[in-house]
Amino acid sequence: DAKTTQPPSMDCAEGRAANLPCNHSTISGNEYVYWYRQIHSQGPQYIIHGLKNNETNEMASLIITEDRKSSTLILPHATLRDTAVYYCIVRAATGANNLFFGTGTRLTVIP
Amino acid sequence: NAGVTQTPKFQVLKTGQSMTLQCAQDMNHEYMSWYRQDPGMGLRLIHYSVGAGITDQGEVPNGYNVSRSTTEDFPLRLLSAAPSQTSVYFCASSYDRTSNQPQHFGDGTRLSIL
Repeated sequence: DAKTTQPPSMDCAEGRAANLPCNHSTISGNEYVYWYRQIHSQGPQYIIHGLKNNETNEMASLIITEDRKSSTLILPHATLRDTAVYYCIVRAATGANNLFFGTGTRLTVIP
Repeated sequence: NAGVTQTPKFQVLKTGQSMTLQCAQDMNHEYMSWYRQDPGMGLRLIHYSVGAGITDQGEVPNGYNVSRSTTEDFPLRLLSAAPSQTSVYFCASSYDRTSNQPQHFGDGTRLSIL
């Protein structure tokens, strides 16, 4: 599975959009991009995933560049409850189902 | 919708004691796994199972045993607890090994070894 690079921390004002970047320059053609978050010490929570097309669900949007070497998770209207560590993970659907978590990005939403 | 249920939520053990961390899922998922998370670090895979009767080692399997007798349950056993096993343990499940469907996590078991 490809390695990912994320900034260690980011701040975002409450009510504004939070844009979390992820670099995965060695991604392979069959690898998906997944985003999870972990609030306090709770279990990781799945947010969204995609292969090459942009994706949107009730929680967030995922923008994947055309060359697929980077992506951005967008929380459209950040709230205080979105303060968490966000993990970007790349995994092939046909390989082992193990998720390799790095240290993620600590997002702090500021009132 | 229970999802993935882990018990107990907290546990304190003495060095050398044994115990079993329980994990159950009600989503009929084939794939289940155990991770540990140490302070300030990401999750590391301990063991995983692709279906009943099948288990395999992850990144940090030493000191842990698993079994998968049913689709629903995937217990993690500490044979002789050591202080280095103090950690938060998460169980996860997903539809199967080969799909792109995401994994769902439990709320964790916080384990302290004295």
